[in-house]
Amino acid sequence: EVQLVESGGGLVQPGGSLRLSCAVSGFTFRSYWMSWVRQAPGKGLEWVANIKQDGSEKYYVDSVKGRFIISRDNAKNLLYLQMNSLRAEDTAVYYCARVLYWRAREFDYWGRGTLVTVSS
Amino acid sequence: DIQMTQSPSSLSTSVGDRVTITCRASQSINNYLNWYQQKPGKAPNLLIYAASSLQSGVPSRFSGSGSGTDFTLTISSLQPEDFATYYCLQSYSSPPTFGGGTKVEIK
Repeated sequence: EVQLVESGGGLVQPGGSLRLSCAVSGFTFRSYWMSWVRQAPGKGLEWVANIKQDGSEKYYVDSVKGRFIISRDNAKNLLYLQMNSLRAEDTAVYYCARVLYWRAREFDYWGRGTLVTVSS
Repeated sequence: DIQMTQSPSSLSTSVGDRVTITCRASQSINNYLNWYQQKPGKAPNLLIYAASSLQSGVPSRFSGSGSGTDFTLTISSLQPEDFATYYCLQSYSSPPTFGGGTKVEIK
């Protein structure tokens, strides 16, 4: 069974940092692109970042470029999102998702999400 | 960035009704259009990929159509468990972008 489990969310002050993790199981992690997608409270979905299977390519939405870093540890089946210089507008539920790059590049499996709240 | 315009933003309907949701891209995305269902407090669930392919395990009352810039999600006969918010996602070019969502509510 494919499972993705996010952790690391919480309350952080503006300007602070947080590292999210996503533990995956049930599939060969190193064979898939992975993504982070977020959803602000009561709002729609926003893609945040992508990472290639070997970590050699990474892409970000403009609003987080220079502040967030996506990474992965294929030996531990873990995906990460290092979030720095956090702003109130980064408050959201953050989901990790598997990408079927070879099909329609859609996100087929998602975790349950972890809530990040940026507030003083 | 490609803008995805989804309509309507909400609709009130009844069990057994036929429901149609549309998504329009600001430029051609071929068939790189996907549809998701999201229930409150839950992660999105993939329904349709590549505009018209039904994801494994998704009921056949869901269908998708379209190509280029105009796409449609149809629910042939709405069931009680289908009341949710639906999103389209273009995956043609980076950044992937979502439509604003359509909330399907009970009339």
